[in-house]
Amino acid sequence: TQLLEQSPQFLSIQEGENLTVYCNSSSVFSSLQWYRQEPGEGPVLLVTVVTGGEVKKLKRLTFQFGDARKDSSLHITAAQPGDTGLYLCAGGTSGTYKYIFGTGTRLKVLA
Amino acid sequence: ETGVTQTPRHLVMGMTNKKSLKCEQHLGHNAMYWYKQSAKKPLELMFVYNFKEQTENNSVPSRFSPECPNSSHLFLHLHTLQPEDSALYLCASSQDQPRGQIFYEQYFGPGTRLTVT
Repeated sequence: TQLLEQSPQFLSIQEGENLTVYCNSSSVFSSLQWYRQEPGEGPVLLVTVVTGGEVKKLKRLTFQFGDARKDSSLHITAAQPGDTGLYLCAGGTSGTYKYIFGTGTRLKVLA
Repeated sequence: ETGVTQTPRHLVMGMTNKKSLKCEQHLGHNAMYWYKQSAKKPLELMFVYNFKEQTENNSVPSRFSPECPNSSHLFLHLHTLQPEDSALYLCASSQDQPRGQIFYEQYFGPGTRLTVT
């Protein structure tokens, strides 16, 4: 069974701080996605990474796919209250519909 | 309306009731999905439809019955539910069947918060 463990589970930080969220698995994925979900809404796709070692940047967010395509990280620089939400990673296998979602990291950024 | 819409947004039902959840996508996609999001479990894929045909049933109990009359609409019919079925039910859509594609992008609706009493 493919599992994606995210850490930390909860994170509360002050505005302006940096943070990193991790997504780990023993399985290899052909792609890894990161979503952010705000209360009362569905998840919104932030990024997809497909190549081992790939790094993508989205403003203050930096996403990295592990060399072996088993893990990923999300780094936020100078966090803002608008970054508050549930961050989900999801691992995909080429040619199938199934994305396996991670356990989630709930982030709260205090002003 | 744009994106993926779901109705109702909140639903409270007894264990003997029958109700339906509705999802509509305005993105021109051909694949639609039902997911279950519980408080302490990862997001779980329930059903997948591609071009109105069911292509995935992730061992979901028969008290959940999906229906996809066309590529834009997806329903989840509920009957004789249990309290443990209380969760956020999310609908999503994507462009097409991933024939050898490395990845696809899903667009989620806001969900229906279901409470079974």
